[in-house]
Amino acid sequence: AQKVTQTQTSISVMEKTTVTMDCVYETQDSSYFLFWYKQTASGEIVFLIRQDSYKKENATVGHYSLNFQKPKSSIGLIITATQIEDSAVYFCAMREDNTGNYKYVFGAGTRLKVIA
Amino acid sequence: DMKVTQMPRYLIKRMGENVLLECGQDMSHETMYWYRQDPGLGLQLIYISYDVDSNSEGDIPKGYRVSRKKREHFSLILDSAKTNQTSVYFCASSLRLSQNTLYFGAGTRLSVL
Repeated sequence: AQKVTQTQTSISVMEKTTVTMDCVYETQDSSYFLFWYKQTASGEIVFLIRQDSYKKENATVGHYSLNFQKPKSSIGLIITATQIEDSAVYFCAMREDNTGNYKYVFGAGTRLKVIA
Repeated sequence: DMKVTQMPRYLIKRMGENVLLECGQDMSHETMYWYRQDPGLGLQLIYISYDVDSNSEGDIPKGYRVSRKKREHFSLILDSAKTNQTSVYFCASSLRLSQNTLYFGAGTRLSVL
């Protein structure tokens, strides 16, 4: 069964610094998709960035990038030049490609606080 | 406009009452989901719907049922609500035949007293 684990409950960083949030996953599928989502203080959940398991290059979108280490089943989210508005809860998620069940499984989330 | 809409946003019910949570999307997505969010547990999958009248249990289906009679509309029903069903419920949708991401609604905060 697929599983996603985020061990960092909460992180605080100074504004304009770089932060990395950890995520490890478990799957028996040879092909899968990994996602990071952001939940703002209002409760809104938005998609940030995706990594396809067959791609070796780390995905990058704006000031978000991923550190995909397939042998370690790890997909870290890196936020560079953090801003106050990056303060939120960040969820890691996975969807297997070959099972046909289209289930997205989420980690418990990491709360990020960016301090001025 | 690509949107997932949930109604109501807030709901207070007494234990034993029936609860209906509604979700709509305007993107013609085949697949829709119901999740609940509790502190420290992240998002837990209750049900998936692959299309009209094609629903499947998620990881925590007990105490819930769903209905999907139109592609754009997906309902979550709690028959005789329990206090441990107090939670925030999120509906989401996605295109099945791609690795597309989920689009989430704004959530419904349900309190069962």
